[in-house]
Amino acid sequence: DVKVTQSSRYLVKRTGEKVFLECVQDMDHENMFWYRQDPGLGLRLIYFSYDVKMKEKGDIPEGYSVSREKKERFSLILESASTNQTSMYLCASSSHSMTAPLHFGNGTRLTVT
Amino acid sequence: DAKTTQPPSMDCAEGRAANLPCNHSTISGNEYVYWYRQIHSQGPQYIIHGLKNNETNEMASLIITEDRKSSTLILPHATLRDTAVYYCIVRPSFNSGNTPLVFGKGTRLSVIA
Repeated sequence: DVKVTQSSRYLVKRTGEKVFLECVQDMDHENMFWYRQDPGLGLRLIYFSYDVKMKEKGDIPEGYSVSREKKERFSLILESASTNQTSMYLCASSSHSMTAPLHFGNGTRLTVT
Repeated sequence: DAKTTQPPSMDCAEGRAANLPCNHSTISGNEYVYWYRQIHSQGPQYIIHGLKNNETNEMASLIITEDRKSSTLILPHATLRDTAVYYCIVRPSFNSGNTPLVFGKGTRLSVIA
């Protein structure tokens, strides 16, 4: 089974801190994605990556950056955390196949105080 | 914007079939229909996908109408563990890469004992 592991289940950070959310997948998938999920707004795509060192903006990239130095790892970075970035963050991966399903991690619930 | 319409909530008696409808009247000829579900406090889980033929796997069946403007996900014998939010997603047309999924608000299915 594909495993997508997010480094923290719960995280509490202060406003202005630099925050790293880490995601690792074990299936040699080319594609990796970061979503955030908020009540009433559903899942929204922040950034995604088709390959190592490649990144594409999703629907809501403002205030975030990403890093993909190794194929199995995709990091989401909040350069200066703000309270409106309090959310559930979900990482996913998939192979390059056109119909390949996404495999999600169980999420990181980030609270910025 | 999500290209699908789903009822916000449904109930189903335990042991009965759960039939979850989805409208995708603007679907293009090369777009697939995907279903995911999200159980509370977990990441979304892939269920099934199809293009125009009906599909079945160990989790569910997918029935797509002949005109492809709507589909139904069938859980043949719903259990309490099937209580979740179910997302119907139309995969955007393939272009130069693996285009990310866009999630709508889904249907909250409650399986009742």
